[in-house]
Amino acid sequence: GAVVSQHPSWVICKSGTSVKIECRSLDFQATTMFWYRQFPKQSLMLMATSNEGSKATYEQGVEKDKFLINHASLTLSTLTVTSAHPEDSSFYICSAGGVAGEASTDTQYFGPGTRLTVL
Amino acid sequence: AQSVTQLDSHVSVSEGTPVLLRCNYSSSYSPSLFWYVQHPNKGLQLLLKYTSAATLVKGINGFEAEFKKSETSFHLTKPSAHMSDAAEYFCVVGGGSARQLTFGSGTQLTVLP
Repeated sequence: GAVVSQHPSWVICKSGTSVKIECRSLDFQATTMFWYRQFPKQSLMLMATSNEGSKATYEQGVEKDKFLINHASLTLSTLTVTSAHPEDSSFYICSAGGVAGEASTDTQYFGPGTRLTVL
Repeated sequence: AQSVTQLDSHVSVSEGTPVLLRCNYSSSYSPSLFWYVQHPNKGLQLLLKYTSAATLVKGINGFEAEFKKSETSFHLTKPSAHMSDAAEYFCVVGGGSARQLTFGSGTQLTVLP
């Protein structure tokens, strides 16, 4: 149980284009989804927190107009990197938390990540 | 406020020998503590979590961790390392209304044959 998928697993795009990454909880509903960014050999950096049906809360330094997050349902959140540039190349990981029935609301279940390369 | 410190960026052990990955935390409230493992180019897999029940927490793949409040530690151990344990391990502290997690910097575990 508690499986989270991401699509695509990797994507290569040209500079200036937009890329959409999907995050789905496959066998549970999650009230909260999180988006992280991870640079090579570094830890995860939280970008934003989103609750279903409301606007995402972005961490300091993260451009909300560049990283658009939509959380349309309890099983789907999307991250759109708009007008991507080479410096946006990174490993993007989503997670789902706030699972109904979980004793600890802190537990997050992570997706497998999406490798974005911007040329 | 909360923070977590992983004391070793790299740990190298021989196959079949014990593993110890060290983690210290600070939190202004009763924390939830987690260990996650990440294999190359993969997402994070939950190994175990502590949520104020038993202080010794058993996880998957033979790993366990002990919560020591007096030492503010949550070290991860395994009696006998396997080659497949080679990966990056993250100690994580959670808590608060936002359900946000604070990640340690990670410990790269290498298992030598």
